[in-house]
Amino acid sequence: SQTIHQWPATLVQPVGSPLSLECTVEGTSNPNLYWYRQAAGRGLQLLFYSIGIDQISSEVPQNLSASRPQDRQFILSSKKLLLSDSGFYLCAWSVRGLSYEQYFGPGTRLTVT
Amino acid sequence: SQQGEEDPQALSIQEGENATMNCSYKTSINNLQWYRQNSGRGLVHLILIRSNEREKHSGRLRVTLDTSKKSSSLLITASRAADTASYFCATDALAGSYQLTFGKGTKLSVIP
Repeated sequence: SQTIHQWPATLVQPVGSPLSLECTVEGTSNPNLYWYRQAAGRGLQLLFYSIGIDQISSEVPQNLSASRPQDRQFILSSKKLLLSDSGFYLCAWSVRGLSYEQYFGPGTRLTVT
Repeated sequence: SQQGEEDPQALSIQEGENATMNCSYKTSINNLQWYRQNSGRGLVHLILIRSNEREKHSGRLRVTLDTSKKSSSLLITASRAADTASYFCATDALAGSYQLTFGKGTKLSVIP
């Protein structure tokens, strides 16, 4: 069966510090991968999606970046965090292709102070 | 722009009652999905209904889709305290897309 891992679960970082959130998927090959951010009491905002290694699309211009060093690994980074980067970050995967259901990781709660 | 919008924003019912949540969207779609999110957790996929389907069942869940009105409803029958969560609809684009657009969700509270 497929599983998706995210870490860390919670993170408190000062403004201006770097960020690295990691997501890995097990039990599947060539997945689509997604990073979302969820503000308190709000829906999900798609940040990045990837349909393959070195194929990453950015949906929202910001100080975040994403990389996919391996087929089942997706990393969200920032060189300098802003207060507005606080939120709940969710990684998800889906079967490669269009319009499939997505499976989410447990999320990372990021607080920028 | 936001594709799906759930209604109501919050719903509180007694255990055993039925809960109905609605979702409206703006553009044509291939399919519509419903997800559940327990507080502080990731989303869990509940059900997917394709644009050529009008109704779909899964256990205590019943989803309807009206493409002419661009709306969907999620019915949870015989609710349980464990159904307390936020429920989101998500849509894709008719042209085909790797992306889903999520609404802001309905927060359901089931009181024991």
